[in-house]
Amino acid sequence: GAGVSQSPRYKVAKRGQDVALRCDPISGHVSLFWYQQALGQGPEFLTYFQNEAQLDKSGLPSDRFFAERPEGSVSTLKIQRTQQEDSAVYLCASSLGTATYEQYFGPGTRLTVT
Amino acid sequence: QKEVEQNSGPLSVPEGAIASLNCTYSDRGSQSFFWYRQYSGKSPELIMFIYSNGDKEDGRFTAQLNKASQYVSLLIRDSQPSDSATYLCAAQMNRDDKIIFGKGTRLHILP
Repeated sequence: GAGVSQSPRYKVAKRGQDVALRCDPISGHVSLFWYQQALGQGPEFLTYFQNEAQLDKSGLPSDRFFAERPEGSVSTLKIQRTQQEDSAVYLCASSLGTATYEQYFGPGTRLTVT
Repeated sequence: QKEVEQNSGPLSVPEGAIASLNCTYSDRGSQSFFWYRQYSGKSPELIMFIYSNGDKEDGRFTAQLNKASQYVSLLIRDSQPSDSATYLCAAQMNRDDKIIFGKGTRLHILP
């Protein structure tokens, strides 16, 4: 079956623009995670959904960041009024449920804010 | 602040030798530990997870966990050039919880 997919793969935004990043998890996966990975760093947790419920958003760096998963499948990470420090790769991962350790990562969206 | 610490490297190892990657974590409550491999420009892929003290072997890979010392390691036997990548150590409090990643160690296998 298909893995986790993300779109767009690359996004260039001018500072101040709003962007929306999409994640399609593996079909049937209950849990969905968003991470931000800056160049040369490890992924940093942003937010977590179990089905449509956002259970943890402690990693969102500011109120410009917003994520949703309204039907418990596809998720969108929205960044309003982008800043240069938002430039990073945004990774989405999904896992089957509460009894699994493995999170499967998508290919990421590379966001560049100019 | 929960942290996972790794030496950034690069760690250079001759082909065929054993590569040893190390990691420490700050939160004693961490229960599960992971090693991910990330090739340049690609997303992380899980190599191994471990949650009990001791060793866990899978093919050429052995993960080691010492909870008393808050230390995790990954050994790669018979290193191959294809093992050249960044290796991310990660810790998790509970199943299905967020994962805290280290910054990664760049491994370079010398042909």
